[in-house]
Amino acid sequence: EAQVTQNPRYLITVTGKKLTVTCSQNMNHEYMSWYRQDPGLGLRQIYYSMNVEVTDKGDVPEGYKVSRKEKRNFPLILESPSPNQTSLYFCASSSGQGRRGYTFGSGTRLTVV
Amino acid sequence: KQEVTQIPAALSVPEGENLVLNCSFTDSAIYNLQWFRQDPGKGLTSLLLIQSSQREQTSGRLNASLDKSSGRSTLYIAASQPGDSATYLCAWSGGSYIPTFGRGTSLIVHP
Repeated sequence: EAQVTQNPRYLITVTGKKLTVTCSQNMNHEYMSWYRQDPGLGLRQIYYSMNVEVTDKGDVPEGYKVSRKEKRNFPLILESPSPNQTSLYFCASSSGQGRRGYTFGSGTRLTVV
Repeated sequence: KQEVTQIPAALSVPEGENLVLNCSFTDSAIYNLQWFRQDPGKGLTSLLLIQSSQREQTSGRLNASLDKSSGRSTLYIAASQPGDSATYLCAWSGGSYIPTFGRGTSLIVHP
């Protein structure tokens, strides 16, 4: 089944403890992206990647890192999480630079205490 | 910067009604427009994708139209059911193919 897989689905962590949220797609998509979704603010793009080793900042990149060493994987790294990064995170991918639309993962609910 | 607006923000209707959800965008240089459904706390499920060369797309009880000249897309839901209750989001993609999302319309269909 064609899908974007995120792990974990739920995560509670403490301030300052580094964490990684994984994202993997099995559709050979070039484009991958991370979003966060907060009440009243909608979906905001964190980082995106047009292809392997090519990444760029979205609208809210502060406090996040990404890497794209393989086409299928696009992990999101929080080096020193803070409570304002408590949010619902989504990974998305697309082929043909969006021509066929976007496929989203099921989301990761992150709570930083 | 591109803005995508969805009206209404919330909608509550009795079962069986035909519904129209609106999505407007400021940049008419659109590449495609995608409608999604999101259940509470869940991921986004793609419903319909309209390319800029198309006027509409249909899937079951759903029909989405695109009017580039007026900067609007509408999602029509026929004979609504309680299972249609969810948030519906539209996403505009332009030349960079990086989508801009609306804030969504929260729909409740009550029996």
